[in-house]
Amino acid sequence: DIVMTQSPDSLAVSLGERATINCKSSQSVLYSSNNKNYLTWYQQKPGQPPKLLIYWASTRESGVPDRFSGSGSGTDFTLTISSLQAEDVAVYYCQQYYNTPLTFGGGTKVEIK
Amino acid sequence: EVQLLESGGGLVQPGGSLRLSCAASGFTFSNYAMTWVRQAPGKGLEWVSTINISGGSTYYADSVKGRFTISRDNSKNTLYLQMNSLRAEDTAVYYCAKNRYTSDLPRDFDYWGQGILVTVSS
Repeated sequence: DIVMTQSPDSLAVSLGERATINCKSSQSVLYSSNNKNYLTWYQQKPGQPPKLLIYWASTRESGVPDRFSGSGSGTDFTLTISSLQAEDVAVYYCQQYYNTPLTFGGGTKVEIK
Repeated sequence: EVQLLESGGGLVQPGGSLRLSCAASGFTFSNYAMTWVRQAPGKGLEWVSTINISGGSTYYADSVKGRFTISRDNSKNTLYLQMNSLRAEDTAVYYCAKNRYTSDLPRDFDYWGQGILVTVSS
């Protein structure tokens, strides 16, 4: 199984400041035949289902604000919120879809400092 | 507008059974693999099971293999999860989710239902 490890578990960031969340996979999720990283980021607010933010590690889903960006390749990935807004308070999860079992990171809780 | 509406959850005793349903609308259901993901209270997300477009291929987490059965009825635009031999550790909110793109394999998800709570307790 591919283990997804997120860090930190939580972080508090001032409004307007940058938030950075890391996700590390226990093996590469880069598929060599198409050069795509099978890595997605979700945002989950309390009492709501997860919302897709970023797929293929760096492609922003339609409608997602451009302050959200994804980067990385192979085993190391980052989700960046360039200027934190109040509505970004949530738990963020990475997920690999390179193979089954599909696995999620443990989540990173983002709060306002 | 894509909608996924789960039903069938509730309280069940250990060893009991429950059948979840997910009614889909707003997209061509028969073009997408579908998945169940669960979330125990206060915990993270756990993939449970995926079914391919035709229903001919199914995938399960080891934690539910042999106890849960995923199925679909493309004529009714509905996804199912039959859960048998339920345990306390199966207590969770169960979400149905749609594959983001038309792959026949378990992938990532662009739409999720609101979730349905399953509580296994005596």
